[in-house]
Amino acid sequence: DGGITQSPKYLFRKEGQNVTLSCEQNLNHDAMYWYRQDPGQGLRLIYYSQIVNDFQKGDIAEGYSVSREKKESFPLTVTSAQKNPTAFYLCASSKIPGTSGGYNEQFFGPGTRLTVL
Amino acid sequence: GDSVTQMEGPVTLSEEAFLTINCTYTATGYPSLFWYVQYPGEGLQLLLKATKADDKGSNKGFEATYRKETTSFHLEKGSVQVSDSAVYFCALSENAYSGAGSYQLTFGKGTKLSVIP
Repeated sequence: DGGITQSPKYLFRKEGQNVTLSCEQNLNHDAMYWYRQDPGQGLRLIYYSQIVNDFQKGDIAEGYSVSREKKESFPLTVTSAQKNPTAFYLCASSKIPGTSGGYNEQFFGPGTRLTVL
Repeated sequence: GDSVTQMEGPVTLSEEAFLTINCTYTATGYPSLFWYVQYPGEGLQLLLKATKADDKGSNKGFEATYRKETTSFHLEKGSVQVSDSAVYFCALSENAYSGAGSYQLTFGKGTKLSVIP
């Protein structure tokens, strides 16, 4: 079955540590996204990538970094510079907007819950 | 910029009650509209979508009609079940065909629905 996988499901980090969240998709989608979800605040875009070896900052990119070396993979690193990293992180993917009826239908993974100890 | 406003939650209903979750939007172009559902501890799933005015999206007994004149996309279900308990997100995407193609989804803050037996 095609879909998006995220690992780990739960992640604990000590202050000052960098951690990397994994996201893999086998939907053959070109675009991939990372969102952060906090209670009562909906989803906020961290980074997105339209194509391999290219990515753009979203609304809250500070303290995060990404890479896109393969079409299927879009890992997110939460650095020690992120002052409040405890949150639920969601990865998504989509076709290129304009190739699916003009709209951007995104498919989401199951999420990773990161807690800073 | 674009924005989505949803009714504040939480919403608590008895089983078989009628559900309405209000959603209004502001957009510079001619957006496509979505409802996503998030079950506890999981990622988001697309519930339904509409890409042009007067379109009605429907799925699993849920419906929403794209109303351009009122910039609304209210979610309705005639008879809710306990299994419908989740958080519901309204979202929009600028339509690539309008020349304002965007990789970004703009989400509302979500409405938590609890259905009691």
